[in-house]
Order: sequence, then structure tokens, then C-alpha cells
Amino acid sequence: ETGVTQSPTHLIKTRGQQVTLRCSSQSGHNTVSWYQQALGQGPQFIFQYYREEENGRGNFPPRFSGLQFPNYSSELNVNALELDDSALYLCASSFYDSDTQYFGPGTRLTVL
Amino acid sequence: KQEVTQIPAALSVPEGENLVLNCSFTDSAIYNLQWFRQDPGKGLTSLLLIQSSQREQTSGRLNASLDKSSGRSTLYIAASQPGDSATYLCAVTSFKAAGNKLTFGGGTRVLVKP
Repeated sequence: ETGVTQSPTHLIKTRGQQVTLRCSSQSGHNTVSWYQQALGQGPQFIFQYYREEENGRGNFPPRFSGLQFPNYSSELNVNALELDDSALYLCASSFYDSDTQYFGPGTRLTVL
Repeated sequence: KQEVTQIPAALSVPEGENLVLNCSFTDSAIYNLQWFRQDPGKGLTSLLLIQSSQREQTSGRLNASLDKSSGRSTLYIAASQPGDSATYLCAVTSFKAAGNKLTFGGGTRVLVKP
């Protein structure tokens, strides 16, 4: 059984660019959540996907969007990057309504 | 709106001392509370999960208590070791939260000195 994986590990972009981050959920998990963790802070919920539909969203602007694929893997897309988007982006997979979410190692995004 | 606070933000203790980490939350209508460990630049590892109906959970040297009425949880780590150095985060799941989201505190950064 493989755990949650994320790619890439690190990424450097410039302001105004677009970025796509990827997450492969743990085997059998049908729900993926994305979190943003700024340096020195706790993670903040961006959104969750279940059965390829958005199932809850935090306080993030529409330029943060996502996808979930039939194999339950997921993408996080951020348009018009801003300096404050620099953060560690974490995805977590679970069974729907499960108490336990399993986190990936994260993607470190730096916006210059 | 649920808010989670962790105090202190950082803690340094000599090896062998017991660690006491505090977490408070503003809305007592929670489904559960979890404690996570995060090593620098890494993802999160779940340590303990306490359901809203429970008062405490134990795993090895770790013990977490929950007082829902006062909006507080405490993580105790007995006989600390240098390998316990990490950031510890608490997170709550509120009833009917959109997407079963976790609301995290800012974390307590722990350094255990040999």
C-alpha cells in the first residue's frame, strides 16, 4: 500500500505565473483535501474533492482551483501567482467522512 | 468561526523532562480533535485523535486530554527525547464543517536538548 505522494517537491515561480501541483491519494481513498501552510503557521484548508466534485472550500479566492480524477488523484491550480502564495502545499487523502486523513510530504512553492 | 490557538509558540527543554503542550479552541461544537507532528519542511504525522465524547487518549509516552466545555486540549509527552524535537499541531473538526475540514492551530515548536 503506497502512501500519499505529491509532485513536484519544490517549485519556483514568478508573480503572475500559473502553477499546477499534483497529489496521488493513498490506495482506495476517495477524498482529497488541500491545505496551504505559510512559514511558521498552521495549515489552512483550501478545498476538498470527493467523487470529482468540490466538497467544501475555505477562504481562498477563485484563482485557487482544483480537479479530482477518476483514479482519485488530484491537482491544485493557482493562477496569477502572488508573493503571498509562497507556502508549503499539503494534500491529504481519506475515505469520505473518515476521521483520519493521511498527509503527503507537501510541495514547497516559492513565488519571486 | 472556529479559531484554534496554541501556546507557547516555542518550547525548549532538557532531555528527560516532561512536555506539556496546550491547545484552545473557540467553538466547543467539535466532532474530534487531533494532534499532529511535523518535522521541518515535511508533511504531518497523526499522533492522537480524540473523539468529542472522549476525555483522553494515550499512545506510548503520549497522552492527550480534551475538555470540550472549556475548549482546551493538552498533549503530554513523558520523558522527552531529542527525537521528539519537532513542531506539534492540534486541529479540530467541527460538526457539519464543510468537507470535514481540519482547523489548525499555529503549532508549538519543540526543541529537546541532549
